[in-house]
Amino acid sequence: AQKITQTQPGMFVQEKEAVTLDCTYDTSDQSYGLFWYKQPSSGEMIFLIYQGSYDEQNATEGRYSLNFQKARKSANLVISASQLGDSAMYFCAMREGPLMNTGFQKLVFGTGTRLLVSP
Amino acid sequence: NAGVTQTPKFQVLKTGQSMTLQCAQDMNHNSMYWYRQDPGMGLRLIYYSASEGTTDKGEVPNGYNVSRLNKREFSLRLESAAPSQTSVYFCASSFDRYNEQFFGPGTRLTVL
Repeated sequence: AQKITQTQPGMFVQEKEAVTLDCTYDTSDQSYGLFWYKQPSSGEMIFLIYQGSYDEQNATEGRYSLNFQKARKSANLVISASQLGDSAMYFCAMREGPLMNTGFQKLVFGTGTRLLVSP
Repeated sequence: NAGVTQTPKFQVLKTGQSMTLQCAQDMNHNSMYWYRQDPGMGLRLIYYSASEGTTDKGEVPNGYNVSRLNKREFSLRLESAAPSQTSVYFCASSFDRYNEQFFGPGTRLTVL
């Protein structure tokens, strides 16, 4: 089963408008973390925002905010006042529970959403 | 700070050839990772090193080996390249297992 689901292969938004990128996750762990990364056409992966499962408030970083709904297991990324430079692939990722007995928690990525911002 | 650096940026191999992808970070991070990115599949973890001196398999380790040379460097080796290993390879690092990962620029590998 998919651990991270991003149901929107592509999204379009006009410059200066807000856009929400969806992410749902599946875990039975009580302690986990959710991350969003941006991948522009140049290819690098850029960390945007993090939400811990015990964080009571939604995370915010500048124009990025994370709409965390724990009961629904969703962690949607909201980009306010979109800019042309926001055009990119966006990946949601979850820090999963312990791998084997090492206690190490790996990241599991979704398949991404391509955002296109138009003038 | 250079962050996470990877070499080479591009590589073309013939089936059966071997090569090593190099990765280094200058952020004093303890954990390092190798991922591959294929169209429509997001990123998948190949191997990771939780701390210096340890390495472990991720989701897709077959056909790869790794070496954590020291705290800074983590290399990925393809012993006998196959066309199925055509992909973009990313190295990443994090301070520890809980923190966000920082990625290198990637290596685009084509195996003919």
